[in-house]
Amino acid sequence: DAGVTQSPTHLIKTRGQQVTLRCSPKSGHDTVSWYQQALGQGPQFIFQYYEEEERQRGNFPDRFSGHQFPNYSSELNVNALLLGDSALYLCASSLRQDSSYNSPLHFGNGTRLTVT
Amino acid sequence: AQSVTQPDIHITVSEGASLELRCNYSYGATPYLFWYVQSPGQGLQLLLKYFSGDTLVQGIKGFEAEFKRSQSSFNLRKPSVHWSDAAEYFCAVVRGNYGGSQGNLIFGKGTKLSVKP
Repeated sequence: DAGVTQSPTHLIKTRGQQVTLRCSPKSGHDTVSWYQQALGQGPQFIFQYYEEEERQRGNFPDRFSGHQFPNYSSELNVNALLLGDSALYLCASSLRQDSSYNSPLHFGNGTRLTVT
Repeated sequence: AQSVTQPDIHITVSEGASLELRCNYSYGATPYLFWYVQSPGQGLQLLLKYFSGDTLVQGIKGFEAEFKRSQSSFNLRKPSVHWSDAAEYFCAVVRGNYGGSQGNLIFGKGTKLSVKP
């Protein structure tokens, strides 16, 4: 049973460029959340996708956008990259129907983005 | 606003010694609390969670945590630390009221645990 997979694992971009990160949720999960983890910090919630729509959003600018596909996989896009966007980007999947929270949030290993 | 505070940035303990990592939260209602562990270059793994009921919760790898409403705390403990426990530990709370998706978590800044042989 595959867990959450993210690609690529590492990425180097130049300031002003655009980047797309990809995530495949754990089998059976239908909801994908994205987090940004800066060096030495805890993860910060970017947004969550369910049924191909953005359902919740954290305090991130519109340069951060996403998409969810019919197979529940997801992409995170960041436009006009800034040096401060350098971070580990984590994808987490869950099952929306599980309002009892018995199904834990599963995290991928992340994509390390470096902006130069 | 909701928040999570982990007062200790870095803790070093000897192998076999006991461990307690501190976590304080700020939230008016009953919080939904988690502890995650992150090894270098890895994602986060859930150690344990608290939603309601017994305030002492057991998790994986021999960890436990106690929810104390009066102190707004959810400290993580382990009676005997192993070298493989060296990692970063994050406390988190679900943002918003019950029924909010568990995907939207507020994390503390983490505590890095080092284990001396």
